[in-house]
Amino acid sequence: EPEVTQTPSHQVTQMGQEVILRCVPISNHLYFYWYRQILGQKVEFLVSFYNNEISEKSEIFDDQFSVERPDGSNFTLKIRSTKLEDSAMYFCASSRDRVSTIYFGEGSWLTVV
Amino acid sequence: AQTVTQSQPEMSVQEAETVTLSCTYDTSENNYYLFWYKQPPSRQMILVIRQEAYKQQNATENRFSVNFQKAAKSFSLKISDSQLGDTAMYFCAFMITSNAGKSTFGDGTTLTVKP
Repeated sequence: EPEVTQTPSHQVTQMGQEVILRCVPISNHLYFYWYRQILGQKVEFLVSFYNNEISEKSEIFDDQFSVERPDGSNFTLKIRSTKLEDSAMYFCASSRDRVSTIYFGEGSWLTVV
Repeated sequence: AQTVTQSQPEMSVQEAETVTLSCTYDTSENNYYLFWYKQPPSRQMILVIRQEAYKQQNATENRFSVNFQKAAKSFSLKISDSQLGDTAMYFCAFMITSNAGKSTFGDGTTLTVKP
């Protein structure tokens, strides 16, 4: 069964450093998303991406965050200058269209020290 | 703004028994989807079941079924014949049809299945 894959599974980074989280969505999916989950808290929507542009973003997704689809398969989330409060599990997800089921990857643990 | 409320932070059930997890939501929209996701200790998010708001029939997936009450804005999950592998955090989520992928999640319910 096709799945969303994410790398790295866990990354530790120093405060102020840039981080790029990578995702390979399911191949025939057209919509891509990033969510995050701070430890012990609910899952929060960050951004949705379609046709090479952001279609929705939350208040969390400020200028420190950016997303990109650099080639035909990868979808990345960049955090420009990490803060301690960026420590969380980041989930990539994809769907075939805007109303289809969203499939999540296994997540990337980001720890900012 | 949409909100999703899961009023049970923790639940437990004996293996082979049935358990129901509660979820209520608030929206003024008419076209939306509701989901239950399972998050085991591995932290992966696994879709359990999905319900389209326009469908009156409750969704079922093997041992998992929902009781969708649109007027009451309630969407509970029933797990029948509970198994040890059902132990996980369960999240209820809501998505407006016009907001591609922007799902709103509840706080989650930690379910423990006891042998």
